[in-house]
Amino acid sequence: DGGITQSPKYLFRKEGQNVTLSCEQNLNHDAMYWYRQDPGQGLRLIYYSQIVNDFQKGDIAEGYSVSREKKESFPLTVTSAQKNPTAFYLCASSIPGGGYTFGSGTRLTVV
Amino acid sequence: QKEVEQDPGPLSVPEGAIVSLNCTYSNSAFQYFMWYRQYSRKGPELLMYTYSSGNKEDGRFTAQVDKSSKYISLFIRDSQPSDSATYLCAMRVAAGNKLTFGGGTRVLVKP
Repeated sequence: DGGITQSPKYLFRKEGQNVTLSCEQNLNHDAMYWYRQDPGQGLRLIYYSQIVNDFQKGDIAEGYSVSREKKESFPLTVTSAQKNPTAFYLCASSIPGGGYTFGSGTRLTVV
Repeated sequence: QKEVEQDPGPLSVPEGAIVSLNCTYSNSAFQYFMWYRQYSRKGPELLMYTYSSGNKEDGRFTAQVDKSSKYISLFIRDSQPSDSATYLCAMRVAAGNKLTFGGGTRVLVKP
């Protein structure tokens, strides 16, 4: 079955540590996205990529980094510069003009 | 002011009632409108996808778009407890893939 796989489901980060969230899709979609979801705030766009080796900042990119070396993969790194990283992170993909297909999310908690 | 506004709820209805959800927006360039359903701790899933003004029906779900009023609605007939979830509206302009999301409305259908 085609879909998007996010891992891990739960992640704990210590202060000052970088962590990487994985996102893999087998839908052959060109575009991929990372969103952050906080209670009562809806989805906020962190980064997006329209094609391989290209990506753009979203509305809240500070403290995050991404890469897009393969069409199937769009990992997100939460760096130590992100001061409030505790949130639910969602990865999505789409074809041009289509709706998004979302993964099941990663819940990141700072300990 | 947010580009897309959505009442956060919660909206509580008895089983079998009609659920009425809506979003207002400020960007008159939005042409494509979507509704997503998100269960707790899961990724959103696409329910309805409409273009420009008008109605679209799919089973128990009806989506309406009124571009002149910058207002979209989702109606759920014969609501079931399994419809209890957060419903997110999303929209985009004609060119490009980026979606702008509302904050979501939490719905609770009581047996």
